[in-house]
Amino acid sequence: SQTIHQWPATLVQPVGSPLSLECTVEGTSNPNLYWYRQAAGRGLQLLFYSVGIGQISSEVPQNLSASRPQDRQFILSSKKLLLSDSGFYLCAWSGRVSTDTQYFGPGTRLTVL
Amino acid sequence: AQKITQTQPGMFVQEKEAVTLDCTYDTSDPSYGLFWYKQPSSGEMIFLIYQGSYDQQNATEGRYSLNFQKARKSANLVISASQLGDSAMYFCAMRVINAGNNRKLIWGLGTSLAVNP
Repeated sequence: SQTIHQWPATLVQPVGSPLSLECTVEGTSNPNLYWYRQAAGRGLQLLFYSVGIGQISSEVPQNLSASRPQDRQFILSSKKLLLSDSGFYLCAWSGRVSTDTQYFGPGTRLTVL
Repeated sequence: AQKITQTQPGMFVQEKEAVTLDCTYDTSDPSYGLFWYKQPSSGEMIFLIYQGSYDQQNATEGRYSLNFQKARKSANLVISASQLGDSAMYFCAMRVINAGNNRKLIWGLGTSLAVNP
């Protein structure tokens, strides 16, 4: 069966510090991968999605970036965090089948102080 | 414009009763998919049920069913025999295909469901 991992689970970072969140998927190959952010009490905002290694599409211009160095690894980064980057970050994967159901990881709660 | 609307910010239901969570959508694409997800307080987003736009029958998954009314563009989630563990946020989402033939989900703002003992 497929599983998706995210780490760290929680993170407290000062403004201006760098960020690296990692997501890995097991049990499937060539998945579509997604990064979302959820502000407190709000819906999901799609940040990046990837259909293959090195292929990244950005949905929202911001100081975040994403990379996919391996087929089942997706990394969210920032060189300098802003207060507004605080939130709950969710990684998801979907298979290349007709329903496009996305399956989510446990998430990372980021607080920027 | 492609959009998902969930008009109920919060809902209450008595344990063992059924509850309906509303979702309306807007799209001009003939092919689309509709999803419901559950987000408990732990934060993980859990897939519940899927309905394709060409599916003739309403989707069901255990205690979850999707009341799909295509003409009214609604895709309400029905939870039967509510349990305390059903207390969570519930999100409706729609799969769209953009100009680059990439598929992504558009999300509603969610409904908070509280199940009372």
